[in-house]
Amino acid sequence: GAGVSQTPSNKVTEKGKYVELRCDPISGHTALYWYRQSLGQGPEFLIYFQGTGAADDSGLPNDRFFAVRPEGSVSTLKIQRTERGDSAVYLCASSLTAATNEKLFFGSGTQLSVL
Amino acid sequence: GNSVTQMEGPVTLSEEAFLTINCTYTATGYPSLFWYVQYPGEGLQLLLKATKADDKGSNKGFEATYRKETTSFHLEKGSVQVSDSAVYFCALYSRGSTLGRLYFGRGTQLTVWP
Repeated sequence: GAGVSQTPSNKVTEKGKYVELRCDPISGHTALYWYRQSLGQGPEFLIYFQGTGAADDSGLPNDRFFAVRPEGSVSTLKIQRTERGDSAVYLCASSLTAATNEKLFFGSGTQLSVL
Repeated sequence: GNSVTQMEGPVTLSEEAFLTINCTYTATGYPSLFWYVQYPGEGLQLLLKATKADDKGSNKGFEATYRKETTSFHLEKGSVQVSDSAVYFCALYSRGSTLGRLYFGRGTQLTVWP
């Protein structure tokens, strides 16, 4: 596609529910990243995929968060037993490779609201 | 550790005014520095970058100089336009970190009035 696509753009859920957030990176980009942006804060790194594998998941806040990229393209961020503190904008970014200073292309994000 | 501190917003200017948004950083190793911009309803876009001390990044009339001695990377523009209204994020990449793992500041909202 022309850019990084994230769906849904908005997700409202209840505390304790399970949610999935989808990211469709730019075609041909091998590196994919998830960031989380809480209100009034800058984006914070969650996880990085190179191809199908999670090369660094050290930013995931706890084991309720999990992400997959089974075919090396689309990625899904999964959150179990959601909590109100999970409310944030979840950003996905991709880059052609994972070289130093490689330009990241960001999607518009998914606004997650946990009631 | 790695962190970025940006000046508090919002910043409100009249068209053609001079813009400065301050950014300072703390980093392990020698970082690369970036400014990203987020226009309303859009994703973050790379505005400019500098990869070593004394480098100047520039794009669309914006400039920022990598100052190692003051650990700063302030964003400037000589004459802002209404279309520059957006949120601006300063960020760093620290060599030795995971590739693509950026550390962002909180962002500064800029509003330009005609």
